[in-house]
Amino acid sequence: AQSVTQLGSHVSVSEGALVLLRCNYSSSVPPYLFWYVQYPNQGLQLLLKYTSAATLVKGINDFEAEFKKSETSFHLTKPSAHMSDAAEYFCAVSPGPGGADGLTFGKGTHLIIQP
Amino acid sequence: GAGVSQSPRYKVAKRGQDVALRCDPISGHVSLFWYQQALGQGPEFLTYFQNEAQLDKSGLPSDRFFAERPEGSVSTLKIQRTQQEDSAVYLCASSSETGTGFNEQYFGPGTRLTVT
Repeated sequence: AQSVTQLGSHVSVSEGALVLLRCNYSSSVPPYLFWYVQYPNQGLQLLLKYTSAATLVKGINDFEAEFKKSETSFHLTKPSAHMSDAAEYFCAVSPGPGGADGLTFGKGTHLIIQP
Repeated sequence: GAGVSQSPRYKVAKRGQDVALRCDPISGHVSLFWYQQALGQGPEFLTYFQNEAQLDKSGLPSDRFFAERPEGSVSTLKIQRTQQEDSAVYLCASSSETGTGFNEQYFGPGTRLTVT
């Protein structure tokens, strides 16, 4: 069985500040890990993925995440927040690379950007 | 269209009614997924198709939920005798290939179902 825990249902940062969204996972097999972003009334969009290559993964819009097996974590960061980053962010885990496996999502973190 | 489309975008049903939600995946995509997203929660996996074959329906919450993809393209999620707990956004996703290698799941905008 797999599960994802996202710490903090809401995170508020100032524009230009560091963004840190936390994700811890539980998996009985080597996991594939993903971060998705959801804007209001839109579908989920893939930000980045970990598929057992590099542990530091870079995604779109300057987001990145680091896979830490010892901590079972996959936290999402961005050096400088922009107003357009305000959205819901979901961490997800899968037993496979994604094309044939249902994703298990966390409950999400709502990112608020203060001007 | 370039992306996954879903219809209707919004559906209000009285308790006990049957509903049908449609998903048009990206053309040529082999894999199709349905997820249920309750208010304030992350999406939860319902079912998975590879072409017309439903290979995993372990997430369907009850026998009132039924999904089909008869020709391996468009899919319909049907909910019979809707209950208030069925109120959620239903997301469809498609992916180009199965098996090894990374294949992104592309999500549609969802259908928001409200059962009154």
